[in-house]
Amino acid sequence: GDSVTQTEGLVTLTEGLPVMLNCTYQTIYSNPFLFWYVQHLNESPRLLLKSFTDNKRTEHQGFHATLHKSSSSFHLQKSSAQLSDSALYYCALSGNYAQGLTFGLGTRVSVFP
Amino acid sequence: EAGVTQSPRYAVLQEGQAVSFWCDPISGHDTLYWYQQPRDQGPQLLVYFRDEAVIDNSQLPSDRFSAVRPKGTNSTLKIQSAKQGDTATYLCASSPGLLGAEQFFGPGTRLTVL
Repeated sequence: GDSVTQTEGLVTLTEGLPVMLNCTYQTIYSNPFLFWYVQHLNESPRLLLKSFTDNKRTEHQGFHATLHKSSSSFHLQKSSAQLSDSALYYCALSGNYAQGLTFGLGTRVSVFP
Repeated sequence: EAGVTQSPRYAVLQEGQAVSFWCDPISGHDTLYWYQQPRDQGPQLLVYFRDEAVIDNSQLPSDRFSAVRPKGTNSTLKIQSAKQGDTATYLCASSPGLLGAEQFFGPGTRLTVL
């Protein structure tokens, strides 16, 4: 079946520094959709950004990610972290028409002043 | 526009008790999903519907869990004879059912089984 791997369980950094969260995936489908969802404390997940197109950068709210099918990766980056970015970040995959999402284990980001 | 609503928000049970969770999706969304999110883990799909039809329930523990969406709108997820391992947040999500469409999540029901 499909799988998503997020290698960092916890990322701690100082406000203003760049952040990168790793995401790799496995799927039998040749044209998957990849998503990043963010979950703040005591809230439900909400979409941060998504991509379907190989090698095209997608941006939203200062975050960006590029889907690379050659390496099955969809890493999330931001050039300057803010205190409000502290949250859980999930990479997720949808391999086929409107199917349920396969989530990674998540990366907790803690940004300190 | 109202988002996905769920009730109850919290439930505490003894092992062996039954519980039902209710979800009202965003109006016009034909696809509805139920996820289980154990503490400090990502959501895991249990079952999803398109209209009233079950599309995939392969991850639903069928001996104790059941889910219905009889009119293709609201949905109920039921656990018979809950176990401590069922302790988790149960999330409902809905989407327009298009390839790559965003799934909108409800606030979840936090279940604790003692």
